Amino acid sequence: EPEVTQTPSHQVTQMGQEVILRCVPISNHLYFYWYRQILGQKVEFLVSFYNNEISEKSEIFDDQFSVERPDGSNFTLKIRSTKLEDSAMYFCASSEIWGHREQYFGPGTRLTVT
Amino acid sequence: AQTVTQSQPEMSVQEAETVTLSCTYDTSENNYYLFWYKQPPSRQMILVIRQEAYKQQNATENRFSVNFQKAAKSFSLKISDSQLGDTAMYFCAFMKQTSGSRLTFGEGTQLTVNP
Repeated sequence: EPEVTQTPSHQVTQMGQEVILRCVPISNHLYFYWYRQILGQKVEFLVSFYNNEISEKSEIFDDQFSVERPDGSNFTLKIRSTKLEDSAMYFCASSEIWGHREQYFGPGTRLTVT
Repeated sequence: AQTVTQSQPEMSVQEAETVTLSCTYDTSENNYYLFWYKQPPSRQMILVIRQEAYKQQNATENRFSVNFQKAAKSFSLKISDSQLGDTAMYFCAFMKQTSGSRLTFGEGTQLTVNP
């Protein structure tokens, strides 16, 4: 069964450093998403992406964040200068454009900012 | 803006028994989807069940079923014949029907199935 994959599974970085989280969505899906979950809290939407541009973003997704689809398979989330409060689990998800629109999630990347 | 509320932070059930998790939501939309996701200790988000708001019939997936009350904006999950592997955090989520819409999650309910 096709699945969303994410790398790395765990990333430790120092405050102020840039990080790039990578995702490979399901191959026939055209909508891509990033969510984050701070430990013990609910999952929060960051951004959605379609046709090589952002289709929606939340108030969390400020200028520190960017997304990109650098090639035909990868979808990345970049955090330019990490802060302690960026420590969270980051989930990538993808969905079809027609038909069943449920979002399928990857296993997540745990980001720890020290 | 949509909101999703899960008023039960924790629940427990004995193996083989039935448990119901509650969810309410608020929206001005008429067409939307509702979902239950399961998050085991691995923290992977796993889709459990989906309900389209235009369907009156409640969705079922094996041991999982929902009670969808559109007028009351209520969407509960019933797990029958609970198994130890059902132990997880369960999140209720709302999504507008428009393609590419965000998921709005509730706070989650930690379910523990006891042997």
